[in-house]
Amino acid sequence: GAVVSQHPSRVICKSGTSVKIECRSLDFQATTMFWYRQFPKQSLMLMATSNEGSKATYEQGVEKDKFLINHASLTLSTLTVTSAHPEDSSFYICSARALRTTKYQETQYFGPGTRLLVL
Amino acid sequence: QKEVEQNSGPLSVPEGAIASLNCTYSDRGSQSFFWYRQYSGKSPELIMFIYSNGDKEDGRFTAQLNKASQYVSLLIRDSQPSDSATYLCAPDQSGSARQLTFGSGTQLTVLP
Repeated sequence: GAVVSQHPSRVICKSGTSVKIECRSLDFQATTMFWYRQFPKQSLMLMATSNEGSKATYEQGVEKDKFLINHASLTLSTLTVTSAHPEDSSFYICSARALRTTKYQETQYFGPGTRLLVL
Repeated sequence: QKEVEQNSGPLSVPEGAIASLNCTYSDRGSQSFFWYRQYSGKSPELIMFIYSNGDKEDGRFTAQLNKASQYVSLLIRDSQPSDSATYLCAPDQSGSARQLTFGSGTQLTVLP
């Protein structure tokens, strides 16, 4: 299947600092990437939809000024958690949707996730 | 009403048996249907996708789609202990972004 990478895989930071998470589609172009958050033993929660070259669309209840998303190219999207607090500790997962014209046929593939712990 | 409902788990089957996972969805505009497997502490991994009514087979996995009934299922034949995971049903949403809507998942345990 398609490969989507995330970096870092794990991060520990102090309360009040900002953390940037990168999501890359390695073998296909993705005009749309998605950012999810998952708390222990809970479902995936969509945070935002990121389109290359335009502003991200945030789900209800997700603070756009706290979770900054930049989709700089067809293979890279970044999520910055600004002024992180302990309640932001979670498993952040990105996914990328391949273009219909590629061999992956508009399927959505997930990155391995980033585990964030805010102390 | 939940947008995506999956059969409540946990589901346990003996090794070698058929595991049957069911899912109903509410968005009649959904066009693509995905099944993901998620191991504990890991991100979801794509297992199958299906667009058309009927069955689609890939190895030990068979996806079945009935758009009129808004129902999609996943059968796992010859279940193995390594199939033990949470299975997520994810139809896409109508609209330009076509985000996926995830069910809460069905936890499957295959007993050796």
